[in-house]
Amino acid sequence: QAVLTQPASLSASPGASASLTCTLRSDINVDSSRIHWYQQKPGSPPQYLLNYKSDSDNQQGSGVPSRFSGSKDASANAGILLISGLQSEDEADYYCLIWHRTSYVVFGGGTKLTVL
Amino acid sequence: EVQLVESGGGLVQPGGSLRLSCAASGFTFNKFWMTWVRQAPGKGLEWVANIEQDGSARYYVDSVKGRFTISRDNAKNSLYLQMSSLRAEDTAVYYCARLMIPGYYFDYWGQGTLVTVSS
Repeated sequence: QAVLTQPASLSASPGASASLTCTLRSDINVDSSRIHWYQQKPGSPPQYLLNYKSDSDNQQGSGVPSRFSGSKDASANAGILLISGLQSEDEADYYCLIWHRTSYVVFGGGTKLTVL
Repeated sequence: EVQLVESGGGLVQPGGSLRLSCAASGFTFNKFWMTWVRQAPGKGLEWVANIEQDGSARYYVDSVKGRFTISRDNAKNSLYLQMSSLRAEDTAVYYCARLMIPGYYFDYWGQGTLVTVSS
């Protein structure tokens, strides 16, 4: 079972909200995990968006609009990236990441967000 | 302005070796952990390796352990990835990135260099 699982694709309409999930393997507790999110557009390197551990412990990347926010669904053992007021420029691949066993990094498989 | 510029990619035969470089500028290189991340064509991101500021601690994804070596030369503001026993599945764009602590996020990335392992 993969450490982080993301749906392969998601579609949403301009102006709507999109909720991208990142499900942690069952032996990793989302409550104690800090979930990082990156955006990647075709032909470009990834860009850091934000990280989220709790409502009082989270960090927005420099210049990242407040339309991007993080949360968790403890019942699903998942981290969530919420994008509100979707714009065409938000069409991209989105990756979640955790630091596993302190010094090892794991990326989720990525979600391709289509805004149509 | 922070800049990371990778070089050294190219076509190599299976079993061959290649050394990637990442030239850093615009920041105090020896104060930051650095990392290599790769992306196979049409696939997702995969973390490859991290290295601590003075090079004393290095961590690798299991699939490259024993074959790849991450290193750095702080006097030259450069990061390296020595790759050996290359396999077709190592074909990817390799990115170097800077790790920002606190926060543990990769805040600056290079544009990447393509490594193709094929006969």
